[in-house]
Amino acid sequence: SQQGEEDPQALSIQEGENATMNCSYKTSINNLQWYRQNSGRGLVHLILIRSNEREKHSGRLRVTLDTSKKSSSLLITASRAADTASYFCATDRGSSNTGKLIFGQGTTLQVKP
Amino acid sequence: NAGVTQTPKFRVLKTGQSMTLLCAQDMNHEYMYWYRQDPGMGLRLIHYSVGEGTTAKGEVPDGYNVSRLKKQNFLLGLESAAPSQTSVYFCASYRGFYTEAFFGQGTRLTVV
Repeated sequence: SQQGEEDPQALSIQEGENATMNCSYKTSINNLQWYRQNSGRGLVHLILIRSNEREKHSGRLRVTLDTSKKSSSLLITASRAADTASYFCATDRGSSNTGKLIFGQGTTLQVKP
Repeated sequence: NAGVTQTPKFRVLKTGQSMTLLCAQDMNHEYMYWYRQDPGMGLRLIHYSVGEGTTAKGEVPDGYNVSRLKKQNFLLGLESAAPSQTSVYFCASYRGFYTEAFFGQGTRLTVV
């Protein structure tokens, strides 16, 4: 089964609103990453948060990590139509150190102009 | 700096045919990955490599083989293609912990 599970699977909002996506995982991690995928394209890295960090910001992106609950959230503030894409979380396997990089099923975000 | 390059970008195979997908990276990354992406399934890890000459199974390895003879290249082979292998395949490379992974643009494979 997937290491990361995103929630919700799909999200539709109006331009200017905030979008929040959640990711849950099952094993210990070294870090958790969020990626974006525009339709028909490869994934692009957005932000990385280490297991000893609780919150990180990058522009309009805010990521939180709660290792006790094995969950993370990605907040996109003041969304734009150009933010329409699929968003994925990815985790490694901290304790077992296998080198695996596992992605969740993704959240599809639609931002309406 | 090309990053990660996948070849080919599109391919149509007949059931039972074989083919090899090539992934090349120019960032001297140790880790390389092959994923498949199907609608509603996200990215599923097929095989991966933690260094030249090494390979390991991911979540969905059946029907695929891989080789990493050179550090910069990671090959994904389909020995006898099946319609269930119709998918978009992505390659990624990764320097290691606390860094980002870089993705190729994908290979759209259709098996008829």
